[in-house]
Amino acid sequence: DVVMTQSPLSLPVTLGQPASISCRSSQSLVYSDGNTYLNWFQQRPGQSPRRLIYKVSNRDSGVPDRFSGSGSGTDFTLKISRVEAEDVGVYYCMQGTHWPSWTFGQGTKVEIK
Amino acid sequence: EVQLVESGGGLVQPGGSLRLSCAASGFTFSSYSMNWVRQAPGKGLEWVSYISSSSSTIYYADSVKGRFTISRDNAKNSLYLQMNSLRDEDTAVYYCAREGWEYWGQGTLVTVSS
Repeated sequence: DVVMTQSPLSLPVTLGQPASISCRSSQSLVYSDGNTYLNWFQQRPGQSPRRLIYKVSNRDSGVPDRFSGSGSGTDFTLKISRVEAEDVGVYYCMQGTHWPSWTFGQGTKVEIK
Repeated sequence: EVQLVESGGGLVQPGGSLRLSCAASGFTFSSYSMNWVRQAPGKGLEWVSYISSSSSTIYYADSVKGRFTISRDNAKNSLYLQMNSLRDEDTAVYYCAREGWEYWGQGTLVTVSS
């Protein structure tokens, strides 16, 4: 299985400051069709996961533009340009390229300092 | 509006069985593959099983292979997960998620304990 490794696992951030989460895969996530199936999810306390970003850098409808995704191959990043209180939660990357074994990162807990 | 509503969770003894359901609405259920994902208390997300739109293709995580069975009834817009030979480590919130991972249910808690 493809292993997804996130860092850091805990990220204390000051309100209004930027935040960055790294996700690395053990194999390239470029699929045979040329797409890279790397998703980012946000899970607020007590809620279900919510997809924020799909195919590396595409924001889902309703996701604030302070969230952005980037990367290629095996290295990916989720950035929050200015952290707000509602951004507190755990963020997961997930690969959908090497199916049928979809795998998630361990999660990064974002909290306010 | 797309909605996925899981049910059927509860407390079960090790070695017991449980059947989870996921009721879908707001989209053409028969056109989409579906997944089950679980999350142990305080832990991360783990993909459990996949079923194609017509049920012709099914996959399982190694951790549940031979014990869990995924199925669907397109006439009833419902997805199921039959869980047998349950173990302590199967304790988790179980989510159903639509193909593409944009839509998830609210989850149902399964607790395996004596």
